Amino acid sequence: DAGVIQSPRHEVTEMGQEVTLRCKPISGHNSLFWYRQTMMRGLELLIYFNNNVPIDDSGMPEDRFSAKMPNASFSTLKIQPSEPRDSAVYFCASRGLSHLTGFSYEQYFGPGTRLTVT
Amino acid sequence: QKEVEQNSGPLSVPEGAIASLNCTYSDRGSQSFFWYRQYSGKSPELIMSIYSNGDKEDGRFTAQLNKASQYVSLLIRDSQPSDSATYLCAVNDIQGAQKLVFGQGTRLTINP
Repeated sequence: DAGVIQSPRHEVTEMGQEVTLRCKPISGHNSLFWYRQTMMRGLELLIYFNNNVPIDDSGMPEDRFSAKMPNASFSTLKIQPSEPRDSAVYFCASRGLSHLTGFSYEQYFGPGTRLTVT
Repeated sequence: QKEVEQNSGPLSVPEGAIASLNCTYSDRGSQSFFWYRQYSGKSPELIMSIYSNGDKEDGRFTAQLNKASQYVSLLIRDSQPSDSATYLCAVNDIQGAQKLVFGQGTRLTINP
């Protein structure tokens, strides 16, 4: 089975440009999470969706960041305008339901997008 | 403030020995605990989940949970150089129930 798919894997852009990161969750998973990882701050949750609906965006750093999930198989994280301090690795993770309990906390991560803003 | 604390390391263990990684958490009501392994330049990979007090074994890995003391640990038996990675502890956030709170990770190095 295919895991979580992210694109692009690497993105280098100039300050002020718009950046769009893409994610395809594992088929059948109903929750999707966007994280950012840096050496200084570790792994931070930015936003998550259940059944395509944003549930908690309290981790989104500021209005320059936005995320959408138009359907169950696709999500985007957009940064506009980008700044050098946005340089990080951005991970998407998805979570499905347990066949036994109907709920699972287990999250599975995509390969990440390494963003560099110059 | 919900916290998950790990010793950042580096933890250096000789090949073949037991590596012991520890994690403490602040939210007494947390019910689900996870260990992720992250190789340098790669994404976190789920290796163990534990929900009940006691030990859970999976191959060379054993997760231990003590809810009364609010700690969870991961033991790696017969450590191999391929186990060298950063290990992240994650705990469910009982208020934002569907979220996980991650520790900063412990960097483990297995020396041949």
